[in-house]
Amino acid sequence: AQKITQTQPGMFVQEKEAVTLDCTYDTSDPSYGLFWYKQPSSGEMIFLIYQGSYDQQNATEGRYSLNFQKARKSANLVISASQLGDSAMYFCAMSPFRGTGRRALTFGSGTRLQVQP
Amino acid sequence: GAGVSQSPSNKVTEKGKDVELRCDPISGHTALYWYRQSLGQGLEFLIYFQGNSAPDKSGLPSDRFSAERTGGSVSTLTIQRTQQEDSAVYLCASSLETSVPASYEQYFGPGTRLTVT
Repeated sequence: AQKITQTQPGMFVQEKEAVTLDCTYDTSDPSYGLFWYKQPSSGEMIFLIYQGSYDQQNATEGRYSLNFQKARKSANLVISASQLGDSAMYFCAMSPFRGTGRRALTFGSGTRLQVQP
Repeated sequence: GAGVSQSPSNKVTEKGKDVELRCDPISGHTALYWYRQSLGQGLEFLIYFQGNSAPDKSGLPSDRFSAERTGGSVSTLTIQRTQQEDSAVYLCASSLETSVPASYEQYFGPGTRLTVT
């Protein structure tokens, strides 16, 4: 079984500052992927960034970076230079890589980020 | 290219009625997932289709729920004899899953908001 824990129900950040959203996970799978999704008020889930468990380097996508610490089982999302449009719900998720078979995402409970001008 | 589309965007139905929700995945994506997002349960996996393989129905909450995928493309989620606890946003996602190690991000549709009165 897999479990994702997001301990910050809500976060505030000033525009142009960096913010870290926490995510810890638990799994018995030796190979897995970690994902972050953004869900604005419109409701659509927007893929942000992916990290494979065997990737040596932390993933980066523009202003998003994933601080992956495998030994601590954490996969924190760092957003640099926050913008007002970053205000949304953010979900951490993971899926197992078992060769074949489903790779359904297990989601955390989410963190609501509000960027203040 | 076109993203994942879902219809209808909103559906209000009376308790006991059957409903059908439609998902049109990204062209060429072999994997298709249905998830449900509700206030009490967060985001839950429902069912997974991959190519011509038998679907993984392990997330369906009851036998009132069923889904099919025709021609490896469009999928329909059917809920029979709807109950008030079925009220939720139903999200469809598709993914290009190959045997080559790669990112397995899932791309989500806008969802169908189902309200059972």
